[in-house]
Amino acid sequence: GAGVSQTPSNKVTEKGKYVELRCDPISGHTALYWYRQSLGQGPEFLIYFQGTGAADDSGLPNDRFFAVRPEGSVSTLKIQRTERGDSAVYLCASSLNPGVGGYTFGSGTRLTVV
Amino acid sequence: QQPVQSPQAVILREGEDAVINCSSSKALYSVHWYRQKHGEAPVFLMILLKGGEQKGHDKISASFNEKKQQSSLYLTASQLSYSGTYFCGTEISGNTPLVFGKGTRLSVIA
Repeated sequence: GAGVSQTPSNKVTEKGKYVELRCDPISGHTALYWYRQSLGQGPEFLIYFQGTGAADDSGLPNDRFFAVRPEGSVSTLKIQRTERGDSAVYLCASSLNPGVGGYTFGSGTRLTVV
Repeated sequence: QQPVQSPQAVILREGEDAVINCSSSKALYSVHWYRQKHGEAPVFLMILLKGGEQKGHDKISASFNEKKQQSSLYLTASQLSYSGTYFCGTEISGNTPLVFGKGTRLSVIA
């Protein structure tokens, strides 16, 4: 597609529930990144995929968070047993060559855990 | 480690200039600059690779001082459209994910 697409744009869930957030990167971009952003803060790194494999998952806060990218394009971020502290905007970005063209971010999914 | 940005916030009148700084305690491979408007995604402005280069993009330019591990973003003759939060993202080696600073909120008023 023309840009990075994230769905849903907003998600309200109850504490303890499971959620899935989807990211559809720019076609041909092999690198895909998940970040989360709280109000007034910079994006905080979660996980980075190069192709189908997770090249770096050191930013995932705990084992409730998991992400996949089975065919090297669409990625899903999965959060189990959600907590109120998980509320944030989850941003996805993709890149063809980060060292040249930077990241293209999606508009994000605003997750609210009540 | 998260880079440190300064100032945290700045208010300018149209036509004024501003400098935003980004410092790291680690040796850097590259520095990226992004602008984010309220409620929108961050938008890539430019990247500077180690080697101390300087880049320009219309009236927005940046430099990277490799020895000091510091980058500065220069906005000249600011326009209302420059308002937003500016983030630097740093990379300690190629193909590692960016670590972003907390941002500098820039407000340009008429």
